[in-house]
Amino acid sequence: AQSVTQLDSQVPVFEEAPVELRCNYSSSVSVYLFWYVQYPNQGLQLLLKYLSGSTLVKGINGFEAEFNKSQTSFHLRKPSVHISDTAEYFCAVIFRSGNTPLVFGKGTRLSVIA
Amino acid sequence: GAVVSQHPSWVICKSGTSVKIECRSLDFQATTMFWYRQFPKQSLMLMATSNEGSKATYEQGVEKDKFLINHASLTLSTLTVTSAHPEDSSFYICSARSGTSGGSYNEQFFGPGTRLTVL
Repeated sequence: AQSVTQLDSQVPVFEEAPVELRCNYSSSVSVYLFWYVQYPNQGLQLLLKYLSGSTLVKGINGFEAEFNKSQTSFHLRKPSVHISDTAEYFCAVIFRSGNTPLVFGKGTRLSVIA
Repeated sequence: GAVVSQHPSWVICKSGTSVKIECRSLDFQATTMFWYRQFPKQSLMLMATSNEGSKATYEQGVEKDKFLINHASLTLSTLTVTSAHPEDSSFYICSARSGTSGGSYNEQFFGPGTRLTVL
């Protein structure tokens, strides 16, 4: 079955510390991979995406993610977080078979502690 | 990137009434539009997919007679929640995509969401 799994529902981290938010997927077809951020009572903002090419993808706000095909993972990282990074982060996948929509993981709540 | 708007951004209605939410692609033609629903502190769940001029395809468990979707033009899709009840209270997010798949990637753009509260 095709699915997206975010392994951590909540991640607390101190300000200026590094963070990694984990995402794994299961698919029998090729995929496109995305990370979105959602601030309280707001819509989604695209952080970064992997379509093809280099497996290390850099996004906005200092975030990056690495596509690992053998481990079917697309973990999001930031070397030093800020209070303003506190938000909900969603990993999402497009399964490349037909005109399929984005499928979202359950989300990870990142809480940055001063 | 392309812009998708939603209207209204929030709405409060009485139980039993119907509510219409509009989703517009402002600077591109959206061949396909998607409607998602998000409960508090939960993920986005796909409700339905609509292609311009065609009937919407609903996900399993979504009542098509309750959540009416119309995609009459390449820039407008509407979601009507009919006879709304408190359990329909949620955050509804639309998304629009231009073109078709065919092996190439067409980005999916998101609206800002509509907060529906049914009293």
